[in-house]
Amino acid sequence: EAGVTQSPTHLIKTRGQQATLRCSPISGHTSVYWYQQALGLGLQFLLWYDEGEERNRGNFPPRFSGRQFPNYSSELNVNALELEDSALYLCASSLGVLGVTGELFFGEGSRLTVL
Amino acid sequence: SQQGEEDPQALSIQEGENATMNCSYKTSINNLQWYRQNSGRGLVHLILIRSNEREKHSGRLRVTLDTSKKSSSLLITASRAADTASYFCATDFNQAGTALIFGKGTTLSVSS
Repeated sequence: EAGVTQSPTHLIKTRGQQATLRCSPISGHTSVYWYQQALGLGLQFLLWYDEGEERNRGNFPPRFSGRQFPNYSSELNVNALELEDSALYLCASSLGVLGVTGELFFGEGSRLTVL
Repeated sequence: SQQGEEDPQALSIQEGENATMNCSYKTSINNLQWYRQNSGRGLVHLILIRSNEREKHSGRLRVTLDTSKKSSSLLITASRAADTASYFCATDFNQAGTALIFGKGTTLSVSS
């Protein structure tokens, strides 16, 4: 069974540009979570989608947005990129709301570098 | 904002020694989980302990939870070089509609 897949693996952008990151959850998982892992800051919760709707949002500005498609895959968009947006963006999925086991399954991440 | 805070931030030990990492959190929880991250990669779930449990074992892992002190510890016994990684605790707020909140992690280095 395929795990959570993220693309692209690496992305280099310049300040002011837009970045789009994609995530495909494990088959059958309906919840998708996005986290930002900047150097030295641990994982910061960004967004949570379940059944196509945004369920919760972390303390990030509106230029961080996303959506979940009918097939439960998800997209994270970051507009007007700033240098401090450079980070590893991790996507995770679960079967429903934190699933039966409460466990999140993570992808390998997309590393965004803003120059 | 961080819910869980791990301690120590970094830990260096020799193979065969035990490694203990601690996690403190601020609000009531339903459960607490520990995850592992190899350098720059995705996180892997290790173990989950529910708020009504005090101790749980999984292989060489032992997790304790003290809800009165809002703290948890992860013990890795007989460490191996392959245990070198960052370890994170994660909690869910004791309310509906919230996601897992992670701490900053403990970086464990096991040398052979």
